[in-house]
Amino acid sequence: GDSVTQMEGPVTLSEEAFLTINCTYTATGYPSLFWYVQYPGEGLQLLLKATKADDKGSNKGFEATYRKETTSFHLEKGSVQVSDSAVYFCALPSNAGGTSYGKLTFGQGTILTVHP
Amino acid sequence: NAGVTQTPKFRILKIGQSMTLQCTQDMNHNYMYWYRQDPGMGLKLIYYSVGAGITDKGEVPNGYNVSRSTTEDFPLRLELAAPSQTSVYFCASETNRDSNQPQHFGDGTRLSIL
Repeated sequence: GDSVTQMEGPVTLSEEAFLTINCTYTATGYPSLFWYVQYPGEGLQLLLKATKADDKGSNKGFEATYRKETTSFHLEKGSVQVSDSAVYFCALPSNAGGTSYGKLTFGQGTILTVHP
Repeated sequence: NAGVTQTPKFRILKIGQSMTLQCTQDMNHNYMYWYRQDPGMGLKLIYYSVGAGITDKGEVPNGYNVSRSTTEDFPLRLELAAPSQTSVYFCASETNRDSNQPQHFGDGTRLSIL
């Protein structure tokens, strides 16, 4: 079945450091790929998405490129801020057993803490 | 612009008690979902609904029930609370089966069973 694997966490960085959070996936076909972010005490929000191979999603300085060859969708940011401290989830929509609902399969989440 | 609203935000239950987690959305979305989030485990789908009157089981439905009498509301029922149901519960909705569109999440209900 479909699955998403994220890098082990947590990740602790100093402000203005470079961030990479790895995400690889196993899926049938070429689904859209998402990064969701969860700030403390809040629900998940869509951070960015890519809908086909070689697409680059971007938002709030974060970027991720849909790599079909390596089945990866790594999240990057050139200079993190304290306000980026959150939990980040890689996800893909998948059909289980041919059903038509839009189930999301999530990675386990990566906790990011940014210090001043 | 309310989006997806969940109540309560926090709740402590004793083993064997029952309760209903409320979820309502004002976006006229057909699809609604209940997930639970356990530490280090990502989110797991409990139940989902593709429209009023239609519900089905997800990955981890045992110990839960749902109903969908209106498009807006999708309550989750715990009949006999167990410690294994201590978790954070998220409700989500989306407009249709277009996988390019994101699901919208509520802020969650943190539930502790003691």
